[in-house]
Amino acid sequence: DGGITQSPKYLFRKEGQNVTLSCEQNLNHDAMYWYRQDPGQGLRLIYYSQIVNDFQKGDIAEGYSVSREKKESFPLTVTSAQKNPTAFYLCASSISPRSGNTIYFGEGSWLTVV
Amino acid sequence: ILNVEQSPQSLHVQEGDSTNFTCSFPSSNFYALHWYRWETAKSPEALFVMTLNGDEKKKGRISATLNTKEGYSYLYIKGSQPEDSATYLCAFIGVSRDTGRRALTFGSGTRLQVQP
Repeated sequence: DGGITQSPKYLFRKEGQNVTLSCEQNLNHDAMYWYRQDPGQGLRLIYYSQIVNDFQKGDIAEGYSVSREKKESFPLTVTSAQKNPTAFYLCASSISPRSGNTIYFGEGSWLTVV
Repeated sequence: ILNVEQSPQSLHVQEGDSTNFTCSFPSSNFYALHWYRWETAKSPEALFVMTLNGDEKKKGRISATLNTKEGYSYLYIKGSQPEDSATYLCAFIGVSRDTGRRALTFGSGTRLQVQP
């Protein structure tokens, strides 16, 4: 079945460590996105990519990095520079970066800093 | 960052009740409005994509209306069932004042609990 796979589902990180969250899609979508959710808040955009080898900062990109070497993959690295990384992270994709296209989501990854 | 608000934040209803909630968004530079349904431990799933003022969409017992001139959308659920329990997210697509680019902004959601 087509969809978006995120891994790991739960991740614990020590302070000062970088961690990478995986996101893979087999929907042949051009656009991919990373969102973060904190309690009581809406989904906030971290980074997005409209096409392979291209990505743009979203509203809260500081302390994060991404790459888009393959169409189907958009990993997110949470660096030690991210001051408050404990959150729920959602990866998503859409057919094209044009506004109006339905967004398809993965099941999310919980990151906890210990 | 565009301001998209949903109300109420949470809602408890009895099975069989009809209910509705609101998504408010900037009334200028509108491109599209999405509604998503997010069940616990699952991925958010799209319910509706609305693009025109006056749009009304329906899927089973769930329907939505759109007023782009005044900047709101309503989501209605008729005869709520326990399986309707979920968080309902709206997402507004407009032009960001900060960057001038089109941007999709999510509301914080309405959490619906339907008691059997």
